[in-house]
Amino acid sequence: EVQLLESGGGLVQPGGSLRLSCAASGFSFTDFALTWVRQAPGKGLEWVSSISGSGAGRYYSDSLKGRFVISRDNSKDLLYLQMNSLRPEDTALYFCAKVDGPDSSGLYSLGYDFWGQGTLVTVSS
Amino acid sequence: DIQMTQSPSSLSASVGDRVTITCRASQSVYSYLNWYQQKPGKAPKLLIYTSSVLRSGVPSRFTGSGSGTDFTLTISSLQPEDFATYYCQQTYSIPDTFGQGTRLEIK
Repeated sequence: EVQLLESGGGLVQPGGSLRLSCAASGFSFTDFALTWVRQAPGKGLEWVSSISGSGAGRYYSDSLKGRFVISRDNSKDLLYLQMNSLRPEDTALYFCAKVDGPDSSGLYSLGYDFWGQGTLVTVSS
Repeated sequence: DIQMTQSPSSLSASVGDRVTITCRASQSVYSYLNWYQQKPGKAPKLLIYTSSVLRSGVPSRFTGSGSGTDFTLTISSLQPEDFATYYCQQTYSIPDTFGQGTRLEIK
């Protein structure tokens, strides 16, 4: 059974940093790209970042302006999102998801077939 | 970035109704269009990928169609568990953009 479990969310002051983690199980970790999607309270889904199975390909939303870094530890089946210079508008529920597709690049995917339950990040003073 | 626009933004319907949600892309995404269902407090669930392929386990009352820029999600006979928010998503071009969502409510 595929499982994704996020952790690391919490309350942080504007300008602060936070690192989210996503522990994966139930599938061949390096065969799939992974992604972070966020959802502000009462709002829609926003793609944040994706990373290929090897970790070599990393893609980011332009709106992040270089503040976030996605990474993965393929020896531990872990996905990360390092978030720096946090702003109130980054307040959201952050989901990790497995990317289905023809290969592990994360490009031309067949959608995000498994999701975690999300971890809440609140940026406020 | 490719913009995805769903219509309507909200919809009221009754159990047994047939409903259609439309998704339009700002440029062609070929068939790289996916549909998700999200219930309050839950993660999204992938229903349909590459425009028309029903994910295993998803009821056959859900159908997707379209290619290029115009797509539809149809629910043939609404069931109580179908009342949720639906999102389209293109995965042809990074960033993988989502539509703004369609909230399906009970009439």
